[in-house]
Amino acid sequence: DGGITQSPKYLFRKEGQNVTLSCEQNLNHDAMYWYRQDPGQGLRLIYYSQIVNDFQKGDIAEGYSVSREKKESFPLTVTSAQKNPTAFYLCASSPGPSGQGFYEQYFGPGTRLTVT
Amino acid sequence: AQSVAQPEDQVNVAEGNPLTVKCTYSVSGNPYLFWYVQYPNRGLQFLLKYITGDNLVKGSYGFEAEFNKSQTSFHLKKPSALVSDSALYFCAVTADRGSTLGRLYFGRGTQLTVWP
Repeated sequence: DGGITQSPKYLFRKEGQNVTLSCEQNLNHDAMYWYRQDPGQGLRLIYYSQIVNDFQKGDIAEGYSVSREKKESFPLTVTSAQKNPTAFYLCASSPGPSGQGFYEQYFGPGTRLTVT
Repeated sequence: AQSVAQPEDQVNVAEGNPLTVKCTYSVSGNPYLFWYVQYPNRGLQFLLKYITGDNLVKGSYGFEAEFNKSQTSFHLKKPSALVSDSALYFCAVTADRGSTLGRLYFGRGTQLTVWP
């Protein structure tokens, strides 16, 4: 988990509220990623960014938004439009210029979001 | 499109016995293949990767994986399992070309249990 921090570790929200999950990395990595993990479904990509001020939708972007104003930060907002937001959220980063797929991704410790 | 299949949701082995966690993949182009491990309520830890060269790749904690191009497989192996190896294991793939360069596609994960 070293080098990537996610806060908080546990987050509780009421339905209808937006919530922002923090992801910071001090690895000087160009690329950053957000995944959602649900039991038995593996990791599903929400958004990714290969360079500052640019990001792309992943497979399940609906109801989520991101920004990449700084190289080290990639916050994820879970909006009230996300129908089933309770999940474990993982942030990752990867070194090298954008588009170099052979670098492994480094993961943060995750944030468990519970919405009631 | 890129995809990964982990055909076994669970693998159970006795401590000291060899273990194998299976992974098959489908990509357009040449594959880059990765194995990660996840302990409960933690982020993913990188174990090993195949980019090119020797088909047998050695990684962390005594794990290794064999790339088989004809069978499009990348099975994870360890000669002698430890109870502490019990965790959730993910296989992931990306390719050396195409619009998906840089993003990983994960399998659903295999829960490995090593009993004493």
